[in-house]
Amino acid sequence: DAGVTQSPTHLIKTRGQQVTLRCSPISGHKSVSWYQQVLGQGPQFIFQYYEKEERGRGNFPDRFSARQFPNYSSELNVNALLLGDSALYLCASSLGGALMTYEQYFGPGTRLTVT
Amino acid sequence: GESVGLHLPTLSVQEGDNSIINCAYSNSASDYFIWYKQESGKGPQFIIDIRSNMDKRQGQRVTVLLNKTVKHLSLQIAATQPGDSAVYFCAEMDGGATNKLIFGTGTLLAVQP
Repeated sequence: DAGVTQSPTHLIKTRGQQVTLRCSPISGHKSVSWYQQVLGQGPQFIFQYYEKEERGRGNFPDRFSARQFPNYSSELNVNALLLGDSALYLCASSLGGALMTYEQYFGPGTRLTVT
Repeated sequence: GESVGLHLPTLSVQEGDNSIINCAYSNSASDYFIWYKQESGKGPQFIIDIRSNMDKRQGQRVTVLLNKTVKHLSLQIAATQPGDSAVYFCAEMDGGATNKLIFGTGTLLAVQP
């Protein structure tokens, strides 16, 4: 079974540019969460989506946005990039649903470097 | 690959020894806890979880202990192997409308052959 997939694996952007990161959850999973991991720290929660609706948002500026598609894949967009946005961006998928099962499985991440 | 272990607490053990990694969590309302393993250049890998109505759970070579009184979580790895070398994170979840994970600082486990 394929796990969570993310694209691209690496990305280099300059300050002020915009970036879109993509995630495909595990087959059958309907919930996707995005996390930012700065070097040397634990992941920080950015967004959670379930059935195309935003279920939660972390403490990130409005430059960060996301959406979930009917096939449950998701995109994370970051506008007006800053040097501090350089990080590993992780996508996690879970079953979601009425029981809101807790187990979240992470993809390999997208390494974003802003110069 | 780029290390996620910079500036992290480090636990160095000999191959074959048992390892104990500790974590203090912040929210007394958290009702679910997970340990993740993260190797250099990879995403976190699920190891074991525990709910707040339990104080111990065992997996294959791993045991998680939960002490809600002092908000402390530990991960025990039996017969540590070189492949266990990685950064280990504990994460808590408060089980609200958003099942967001709140991660701890992380511990770098270095297994010496």
